[in-house]
Amino acid sequence: GENVGLHLPTLSVQEGDNSIINCAYSNSASDYFIWYKQESGKGPQFIIDIRSNMDKRQGQRVTVLLNKTVKHLSLQIAATQPGDSAVYFCAENYNNDMRFGAGTRLTVKP
Amino acid sequence: KAGVTQTPRYLIKTRGQQVTLSCSPISGHRSVSWYQQTPGQGLQFLFEYFSETQRNKGNFPGRFSGRQFSNSRSEMNVSTLELGDSALYLCASSGDYFSDTQYFGPGTRLTVL
Repeated sequence: GENVGLHLPTLSVQEGDNSIINCAYSNSASDYFIWYKQESGKGPQFIIDIRSNMDKRQGQRVTVLLNKTVKHLSLQIAATQPGDSAVYFCAENYNNDMRFGAGTRLTVKP
Repeated sequence: KAGVTQTPRYLIKTRGQQVTLSCSPISGHRSVSWYQQTPGQGLQFLFEYFSETQRNKGNFPGRFSGRQFSNSRSEMNVSTLELGDSALYLCASSGDYFSDTQYFGPGTRLTVL
């Protein structure tokens, strides 16, 4: 079936380094994408979103890149901090059909 | 604004029982969605309510149902519980459109014994 997938289930980075979390989506018609962060014992927390008419969007320490040609979404976290350790989900939406990826666990080493 | 709240936070039931979970959306939000999260399946969409009507529905059996009240608060019910229903049930609210940014609650951890 059509599912949003993640290239890497786990990612370990050194504190201060930049992190890149990748996501492949399957529906070329999806027009809205979101990245969520989920810490242990908590619900997903909105990080940043992007609509399909954009290629890049920046937030505070985070950047989302959208490559519609290869149906790829990435989340870049600058100067990764221990508090960034969590599971990160991507989600795609088309016509009110929201699909979530399995998640990537980011671990930040001090 | 207060965030999305869910009650109870933890619940233990036995097979065959039924359960009702509650969600209060962010003030002003009219769309409430429910999700099931398990280690094996990840986050899966159950259904979405808007103005007391189910507007979108995922691929879950009829044992899973919900409703929304005039104040946008929502409840989710699972009847005839099965072991496989053990999961974290998350509620999310958004503005008028399902595709708007969804803000999640902390979830209800349901364990079925």
